[in-house]
Amino acid sequence: DTEVTQTPKHLVMGMTNKKSLKCEQHMGHRAMYWYKQKAKKPPELMFVYSYEKLSINESVPSRFSPECPNSSLLNLHLHALQPEDSALYLCASSPGTSLFDEQFFGPGTRLTVL
Amino acid sequence: ELKVEQNPLFLSMQEGKNYTIYCNYSTTSDRLYWYRQDPGKSLESLFVLLSNGAVKQEGRLMASLDTKARLSTLHITAAVHDLSATYFCAGSYNTDKLIFGTGTRLQVFP
Repeated sequence: DTEVTQTPKHLVMGMTNKKSLKCEQHMGHRAMYWYKQKAKKPPELMFVYSYEKLSINESVPSRFSPECPNSSLLNLHLHALQPEDSALYLCASSPGTSLFDEQFFGPGTRLTVL
Repeated sequence: ELKVEQNPLFLSMQEGKNYTIYCNYSTTSDRLYWYRQDPGKSLESLFVLLSNGAVKQEGRLMASLDTKARLSTLHITAAVHDLSATYFCAGSYNTDKLIFGTGTRLQVFP
């Protein structure tokens, strides 16, 4: 299995809802990432997990809560989001053995906050 | 902090023509990536450039890296419609964090 999968593909939620995004890879990668991408903009890093520990948090608001239950799975829990949080959320993974490792991206979850 | 800029932001080119996308970065970057993104889709890795003078080619695309000039280029040869997409370069230095350029939206017309 050489891909990163993300579910759901699309998500519409209200500002009072709680939802979760899921990312999975079975390539044995030990580093996993969440990115946010607004329309016509480049991806922006949110979080990095390395060997299941949070190693980078790019000052993301607490309404976004990442979780890495095991080395294959990465979740992003969402609560009390704002309409401006609507974006494409991309997950990526890399082997995690070197900073020069390539990152492989999943198909993304398109999130709309009403 | 590393900043990455691309130009042009938008490129409309005729099939069969050649063109180059430029990626400039502000401080040391120990690696440079090129990605392709189709509308509404994820990022597809094209090239990883790790050292000064590195040149990589795949089909009609060729990427190069000049670390002294802090410049990477993506050259398109004899463009075809299938190459229409947004192209991002991304750099990093001594960290997992990739800094992406602004992106170049390429449109190839007959």
